[in-house]
Amino acid sequence: QMQLVESGGGVVQPGRSLRLSCAASGFAFSNYGMHWVRQAPGKGLEWVAVIWYDGSYKYYRDSVKGRFTISRDTSKNTLYLQMSSLRAEDTAVYYCARDTEGSWYFDLWGRGTLVTVSS
Amino acid sequence: QSALTQPPSASGSPGQSVTISCTGTSSDVGGYKYVSWYQQHPGKAPKLMIYEVNKRPSGVPDRFSGSKSGHTASLTVSGLQAEDEADYYCSSYAGSNNLVFGGGTKLTVL
Repeated sequence: QMQLVESGGGVVQPGRSLRLSCAASGFAFSNYGMHWVRQAPGKGLEWVAVIWYDGSYKYYRDSVKGRFTISRDTSKNTLYLQMSSLRAEDTAVYYCARDTEGSWYFDLWGRGTLVTVSS
Repeated sequence: QSALTQPPSASGSPGQSVTISCTGTSSDVGGYKYVSWYQQHPGKAPKLMIYEVNKRPSGVPDRFSGSKSGHTASLTVSGLQAEDEADYYCSSYAGSNNLVFGGGTKLTVL
């Protein structure tokens, strides 16, 4: 069946880096744009970044520009989020999500991975 | 990148209908057809319920419907059932390759 499985979360000190992964299976990963969406504890959803199906374009929310990098490896069916200069306000569950037809809605989500930024 | 405005809570009795609003601006909800709604149960990933304002993915009951008027989108849940109790989030494309979510509405089935 189609699924997304995130990994790489954990506790990290402010200013340090962390890389999240999202393994896709059960569908043609190379045909879909992919996003990262986060949710701080007890808070709402927040869009983080998108990468086009072919990796040609990448866009970010303002608060993570210059600190986060989204990428994908089609040979491994895996999406990544490289996070650097982490701040306390980046603490959240990070979900990867599949974008259908580039219409900015997400029909498949992973279960999420928790990132905690704390000293 | 301001969040869309949703009421913090909504409620209804089993069998009743409830409508959740999602208010934005001409730069997001009012300007595009790319409004979506997600259901999230505690500790679970969000689930797509409505996309492109009023389209339902396969498998979503037709008790869920969406609409939009001006800068405000709405999700209506008819024939409320206990399993509908969850958090609901709207989202809208906001131009310049950016997406905004609403703050979320906690739906309680009384």
